[in-house]
Amino acid sequence: GENVEQHPSTLSVQEGDSAVIKCTYSDSASNYFPWYKQELGKRPQLIIDIRSNVGEKKDQRIAVTLNKTAKHFSLHITETQPEDSAVYFCAASVYSSASKIIFGSGTRLSIRP
Amino acid sequence: SQTIHQWPATLVQPVGSPLSLECTVEGTSNPNLYWYRQAAGRGLQLLFYSVGIGQISSEVPQNLSASRPQDRQFILSSKKLLLSDSGFYLCAWSVGLLYGYTFGSGTRLTVV
Repeated sequence: GENVEQHPSTLSVQEGDSAVIKCTYSDSASNYFPWYKQELGKRPQLIIDIRSNVGEKKDQRIAVTLNKTAKHFSLHITETQPEDSAVYFCAASVYSSASKIIFGSGTRLSIRP
Repeated sequence: SQTIHQWPATLVQPVGSPLSLECTVEGTSNPNLYWYRQAAGRGLQLLFYSVGIGQISSEVPQNLSASRPQDRQFILSSKKLLLSDSGFYLCAWSVGLLYGYTFGSGTRLTVV
């Protein structure tokens, strides 16, 4: 089955700097890659996703890149702000009737003022 | 619009007691439904998923079970809780393929 690895497990950046979180996946059939943000004690929420037919997607300060050949994808947050502090999860999904999503282990991002 | 309800929000149960967590979805038909568990400070572990009434797939062996008695209802159960069952339980739904999930607000279970 699919296995998703995520690095780093913790990340601390100065406010205004950029943050990068990287993930790899094992199943070459995976074709949907969402990213979730989870604030303390709350539910994960989808912040951006990318499909295998594109290599990059941007939404304001957030961007994701996908390299299907290498089977890795990354989340980039620019001009970080205090409200970006949270745990971020990458995930991968294989096109199937169940469309179950396998998550990485998470990255705890802290923004230093 | 679609909404997902999950209850209770918090639960403290003694070891060996039964468990029943309920999740319902409104505003959609034939959703895919999922149960995830998140141990403290850890990632999201897929426990069960369902693509239709009575159809349950289990991802990991454990003393938990799931049922889907109605199209938009998903129940997580246990006959006898273990200390290791403590965690944050999240229900989620999706419709169609290649779409992300929407999570419920979660149940924080503490087994004592």
